[in-house]
Amino acid sequence: DADVTQTPRNRITKTGKRIMLECSQTKGHDRMYWYRQDPGLGLRLIYYSFDVKDINKGEISDGYSVSRQAQAKFSLSLESAIPNQTALYFCATSDPGQGVGEKLFFGSGTQLSVL
Amino acid sequence: DQQVKQNSPSLSVQEGRISILNCDYTNSMFDYFLWYKKYPAEGPTFLISISSIKDKNEDGRFTVFLNKSAKHLSLHIVPSQPGDSAVYFCAASDSGNTGKLIFGQGTTLQVKP
Repeated sequence: DADVTQTPRNRITKTGKRIMLECSQTKGHDRMYWYRQDPGLGLRLIYYSFDVKDINKGEISDGYSVSRQAQAKFSLSLESAIPNQTALYFCATSDPGQGVGEKLFFGSGTQLSVL
Repeated sequence: DQQVKQNSPSLSVQEGRISILNCDYTNSMFDYFLWYKKYPAEGPTFLISISSIKDKNEDGRFTVFLNKSAKHLSLHIVPSQPGDSAVYFCAASDSGNTGKLIFGQGTTLQVKP
């Protein structure tokens, strides 16, 4: 079983629709992140949470919101989807004190297409 | 402006030879650098990291070199194996030991048998 599970794996939606991407983890980590990957741009941080009561904006948070329902669950919402939000979305977790630089553990990703 | 750049979108090497993947950065405040490997249909996985106070870190076939004066780091894979074929992302942190990373665009490595 995957340690970081993202649902759905693929989603096609229409402009203006509200959608939610879900992430759950069994690693027991407090820290969770949402990144998006675009061709030619690498991964960019959308939101992150260092514990259940902590939510922070990342580099590209406009048009997104998140909810940390529990230590193990961190969901990403697109309030009104637009075509330039078409991307591959990754959820990740991390645990401080893991050595040089904090390793991220990624889910398998959600490919979102906004038509 | 891209703070972490991987200027080579792709690299092809023969099995058994050395693979060298390069990464340049602009922010002198970065304190950790990490490399991630990504296979198709999977999330990235951590490969190796280096602190800004070091100039080299080695882990088996993988070595990362950091040249702070040039703001350049490189990942060496020796010997390269077909299973190393993947996309490699360079990433950097300016916020201490956290998962808030700034990623490069990625380099696709192909290792030919």
